[in-house]
Amino acid sequence: NAGVTQTPKFQVLKTGQSMTLQCAQDMNHEYMSWYRQDPGMGLRLIHYSVGAGITDQGEVPNGYNVSRSTTEDFPLRLLSAAPSQTSVYFCASSYHPSSYNEQFFGPGTRLTVL
Amino acid sequence: GDSVTQMEGPVTLSEEAFLTINCTYTATGYPSLFWYVQYPGEGLQLLLKATKADDKGSNKGFEATYRKETTSFHLEKGSVQVSDSAVYFCALSTGSGGSNYKLTFGKGTLLTVNP
Repeated sequence: NAGVTQTPKFQVLKTGQSMTLQCAQDMNHEYMSWYRQDPGMGLRLIHYSVGAGITDQGEVPNGYNVSRSTTEDFPLRLLSAAPSQTSVYFCASSYHPSSYNEQFFGPGTRLTVL
Repeated sequence: GDSVTQMEGPVTLSEEAFLTINCTYTATGYPSLFWYVQYPGEGLQLLLKATKADDKGSNKGFEATYRKETTSFHLEKGSVQVSDSAVYFCALSTGSGGSNYKLTFGKGTLLTVNP
């Protein structure tokens, strides 16, 4: 089991560029989510998915798109990068979105937008 | 809305010292409570959890008790090691299903343990 994998580990973009952060899990988890981590702010939910073909917005969705075409993959797209999107991004998954279940986190992608 | 407040860091201790990181919460309903740990350069991993009042979660020498009357879930360890240096996040989750499920994090506490 690789768990939750994310690529790339580091990325530098210029303002206005687009890119996709990849996330995959091999645990057959139903629920997947994207968070951003900023200093002094904990983790904030960007988007989540409860299964293939189903996605919804979290707390800070603006500037990001997601899709879930398979159970395993949940890519995050930045359409036109802005310096405010400089952050560390974590993908997470859990078997079922229930308060009883823990979430498993990937190692993160550190993104810098110049 | 739901919220988690944990003590601000950074916390610096000597090896074998006693650790307490305070965490209090506000939530509607009956949340589950978690402590996640983030080692340098890594993602978050679950340290321990408790799903109902008076439950005690424990792992790797760390403990936390779900106290409904004081809405708290303080993390403790009797003797810290250098390898415990990390950022610790208190979190709560409520609900089940897509839009009802919510996981709320505190801001994190950086712990540094010196030899």
